[in-house]
Amino acid sequence: SQKIEQNSEALNIQEGKTATLTCNYTNYSPAYLQWYRQDPGRGPVFLLLIRENEKEKRKERLKVTFDTTLKQSLFHITASQPADSATYLCALDIGTNAGKSTFGDGTTLTVKP
Amino acid sequence: NAGVTQTPKFQVLKTGQSMTLQCAQDMNHEYMSWYRQDPGMGLRLIHYSVGAGITDQGEVPNGYNVSRSTTEDFPLRLLSAAPSQTSVYFCASSYSVDSGGASTDTQYFGPGTRLTVL
Repeated sequence: SQKIEQNSEALNIQEGKTATLTCNYTNYSPAYLQWYRQDPGRGPVFLLLIRENEKEKRKERLKVTFDTTLKQSLFHITASQPADSATYLCALDIGTNAGKSTFGDGTTLTVKP
Repeated sequence: NAGVTQTPKFQVLKTGQSMTLQCAQDMNHEYMSWYRQDPGMGLRLIHYSVGAGITDQGEVPNGYNVSRSTTEDFPLRLLSAAPSQTSVYFCASSYSVDSGGASTDTQYFGPGTRLTVL
């Protein structure tokens, strides 16, 4: 079965810096990879999706990279703000059916003013 | 659109009791899923459905049943609750559409049901 590891449980950075979160996977390569944000007591909210044939995807201050050779995705938040503090989850899909994702345990990001 | 709604928000059960967690979506999505999330962990897939009348098991299906009689609703039934089923349950719906030759698969999650089994 697919195994996903997110680099650390917690990441603390100073406001204005770039936060970089890592998602590593084993076994077969996913068709695409998604990143979600989860705030305490709430459901995950979709942020970005990147496909296996894409190297990089951007959305405003967010950037995701996907390296199928290293079996790794990096998630960057530039010019971080305290409002970016949350838990970030990566999820893999093999592409046969939507809604059948394998999630990592998440990384909790804290941005200090 | 209300999106994905779940009821109840909180529930306490005694061991051996049964109950149904409700999930509804008004976005006409084909796919619906149930996940559970234990403290400090990611989501694990319980069951999912690719359309009305079609369901399949996920990673942790034991002790749970589902059915999908309509596109909108996807209830999750706990047959005989056990303390190991104490968790937060999330329902999600998603679609897969072609947009300029590329499909888009995005899941929308409900607010969750926090279940405690004593």
